[in-house]
Formats: sequence, structure tokens, C-alpha cells
Amino acid sequence: DSGVTQTPKHLITATGQRVTLRCSPRSGDLSVYWYQQSLDQGLQFLIQYYNGEERAKGNILERFSAQQFPDLHSELNLSSLELGDSALYFCASSVEARQASYNEQFFGPGTRLTVL
Amino acid sequence: GDSVTQMEGPVTLSEEAFLTINCTYTATGYPSLFWYVQYPGEGLQLLLKATKADDKGSNKGFEATYRKETTSFHLEKGSVQVSDSAVYFCALSNRDDKIIFGKGTRLHILP
Repeated sequence: DSGVTQTPKHLITATGQRVTLRCSPRSGDLSVYWYQQSLDQGLQFLIQYYNGEERAKGNILERFSAQQFPDLHSELNLSSLELGDSALYFCASSVEARQASYNEQFFGPGTRLTVL
Repeated sequence: GDSVTQMEGPVTLSEEAFLTINCTYTATGYPSLFWYVQYPGEGLQLLLKATKADDKGSNKGFEATYRKETTSFHLEKGSVQVSDSAVYFCALSNRDDKIIFGKGTRLHILP
């Protein structure tokens, strides 16, 4: 158990809908990262927050947004869902915002999103 | 941009066999290199890392050496166990916080 929790575990929805994925980082971790794992694209970095502020952006679509709240939990909002958004979405957390080699990221178990 | 290429799976071996999973990378500068493991139904866990050329990362019997001349970071284990069945990801981190992952290699170990 990494200490990172994600809810829900599974989510099934229809095209055009909007969903919210939630992540609670390990106690004491200030940085939260979101990744998407799909069969065709592999595991891709989406976005990072550090202590409530957006710090880095990866391959995140404009239909997707995220935020980190004062209690440090984070939410990833996915809207106007398409079939291709079906994937496993991982959250990771780390103590600070430094290069990953000095700042291990701990991954949650993921949320599996299925868009029908 | 930076990228990681690893051998496609699945790789199926018998218990106690020798394992090699190949990984090569493309990056500017001097990235750090990682192997992560994903057991069924779980998130990724850091298995080992190396932060500079010729470093050897090791953990749980797995090893990988950072070879700058061949831009490689191959994962090896001398004697695999059924419990090693998982998906293995090679990855790199360069000047920023994000991690770039390979596509993953599924490993099946038969008893």
C-alpha cells in the first residue's frame, strides 16, 4: 500500500458526460501528479500540482482539468467524454517538487474509466 | 523529445530462469533512469533507479546498469519467481519532475 488513495476504483459512463476522479496523497506529500494509462498511448503524464498550484503540464486535453485543494487532495475533471478517453488514470504523490530522481513518486491504485 | 523504448511482451519464462528486459532511451543531457513494476490490480512501484552513467540500481534481486554509450538500462534477474509476474516499465526523468515511461513489458512466470 503506497498510502495514495483514489476514488472511485471503477467508473462507467457514456460519451458526452463529465466525471470527476479524486486523489488523496500520502500524508505530508505536497505534490500530486496525474497520469493516463491506455493501451495505445501507454502511460502518459497529464499534469502536476504542488501545494495547490499548477506546476507542470503534459499531454492533457483541453476537455480535462484538475485542481488541488487546501487539504492537498486533488481532483481530475474529464468532460465531453469520448470513447478514446477510456483508460486507467493514476495519481501519484511526492514530498516536494524536484526532479523525480531525488523525489520518489508514490502511485495510487488507479481509477479505471470506461466510456460507452 | 525524450523517449523510452522497451521490448514488447508478453515475456513468458519458467521459474528460476534468467530474465532480461531490454530498455533504451533517447534524451538530451543526463537523465535519471528507473524501472517501475505494476502488480495486478495495483499502482506502479519504484523497483530501482540509477542517476548517472555506470550506476547500477538493484532491488529484490533485480539489477540494471546505466549505459550512456549505448543509451540503455536493461533489467536483469538471475532467477525469477512466480511472484515476479507483473508489468515492468522502464522510465526516465530529465530536468523536470515528470517521468516519461516506456510502454511496459508484461512478464509471466510459469511454475
